[in-house]
Amino acid sequence: GAGVSQSPRYKVAKRGQDVALRCDPISGHVSLFWYQQALGQGPEFLTYFQNEAQLDKSGLPSDRFFAERPEGSVSTLKIQRTQQEDSAVYLCASSFQGPKNIQYFGAGTRLSVL
Amino acid sequence: EDKVVQSPLSLVVHEGDTVTLNCSYEVTNFRSLLWYKQEKKAPTFLFMLTSSGIEKKSGRLSSILDKKELFSILNITATQTGDSAIYLCAVEAASNTGKLIFGQGTTLQVKP
Repeated sequence: GAGVSQSPRYKVAKRGQDVALRCDPISGHVSLFWYQQALGQGPEFLTYFQNEAQLDKSGLPSDRFFAERPEGSVSTLKIQRTQQEDSAVYLCASSFQGPKNIQYFGAGTRLSVL
Repeated sequence: EDKVVQSPLSLVVHEGDTVTLNCSYEVTNFRSLLWYKQEKKAPTFLFMLTSSGIEKKSGRLSSILDKKELFSILNITATQTGDSAIYLCAVEAASNTGKLIFGQGTTLQVKP
């Protein structure tokens, strides 16, 4: 596709619900990143994939957060038993290869946990 | 701990003004510094800087990196209302992942 596509754009969840956020990277991009952006803050790294391999998940805040990219293209970020502190914009970015390559971002999914 | 600090956090100017946004960083094994513009949609890439002292320009925007003093500036001349956005500075440290460390962002409002 022309750019990184994320869905849904907005998600409202009740506390305790599970949510799944989808990212379609730019076609041919090997690397995929997830970031979390709280209100008024810069994005913070969550996890990184190179093709289907999850090479870095050091930024995932708890074991309720899980990401996958089974075929090396589309990725899903899943949050189990959502909490109010999970409310944020979740941004996905892709790049041709990881280091020293420009990351292109999607518009994000705004998650609100009530 | 790797850190990126932007200043000012917010700025209000009038159309036609020139603005300078600052970004300082402390990272282990610096690789590159990037500027993004974030409106109510995807952050859009502006510049990637890897070498000191080489100015990058795109229209009314320009940026330069000082690797000795560990900072970068983003200049916008003849500002327009369409420049109103959050400007994000991010640094990539040498690692296998290429993850970016972001500053808090500078919110720029350009008034007519």
